[in-house]
Amino acid sequence: GAVVSQHPSRVICKSGTSVKIECRSLDFQATTMFWYRQFPKQSLMLMATSNEGSKATYEQGVEKDKFLINHASLTLSTLTVTSAHPEDSSFYICSARDRTSGNTGELFFGEGSRLTVL
Amino acid sequence: LAKTTQPISMDSYEGQEVNITCSHNNIATNDYITWYQQFPSQGPRFIIQGYKTKVTNEVASLFIPADRKSSTLSLPRVSLSDTAVYYCLVGDWNTDKLIFGTGTRLQVFP
Repeated sequence: GAVVSQHPSRVICKSGTSVKIECRSLDFQATTMFWYRQFPKQSLMLMATSNEGSKATYEQGVEKDKFLINHASLTLSTLTVTSAHPEDSSFYICSARDRTSGNTGELFFGEGSRLTVL
Repeated sequence: LAKTTQPISMDSYEGQEVNITCSHNNIATNDYITWYQQFPSQGPRFIIQGYKTKVTNEVASLFIPADRKSSTLSLPRVSLSDTAVYYCLVGDWNTDKLIFGTGTRLQVFP
């Protein structure tokens, strides 16, 4: 079945550096992907909608200059956490739907990427 | 986007049937109901999806009353490996934007 894959699964970086997380739809094309953030023991929080070929749409309270999203192709969206700080440490998850199976197709989530900022 | 309300946590024992009910009073005509399961440090995994009445697959059943203001996920004969957080989500057919609620943390005991 359709799969959404994220890379890296884990990343540790120093405060002030930038980190890029990739989200790929492995066997289907996705014009829209979504990025979520999840803190320990909490639910997923929608950060932004990634649109292929256009600017991402950010949820209220999410800094677009802090979390750069690029959806350059129909199978790849990237989230770059710029100038990361310890409070950005979180579990980042993307999702996408295989629309070739119609509107009732399953929405797939990636495995998640755990970011730890030291 | 319709808000969902579900119990924060539930406990069960192996072999029992577990029913988790979710309220979504403001569900719209174009909204469908989907349940996801999430284990620690993993992305959510699709369980079941429906629009109305009853849907059944190999792992669960989903019951949706006529007014669609609630839904119940039924897990038959749970095992220890069903210990996870279960999310009820309501979303528009035409978009994939899903807002997660608190989820229900199910703990299955031996």
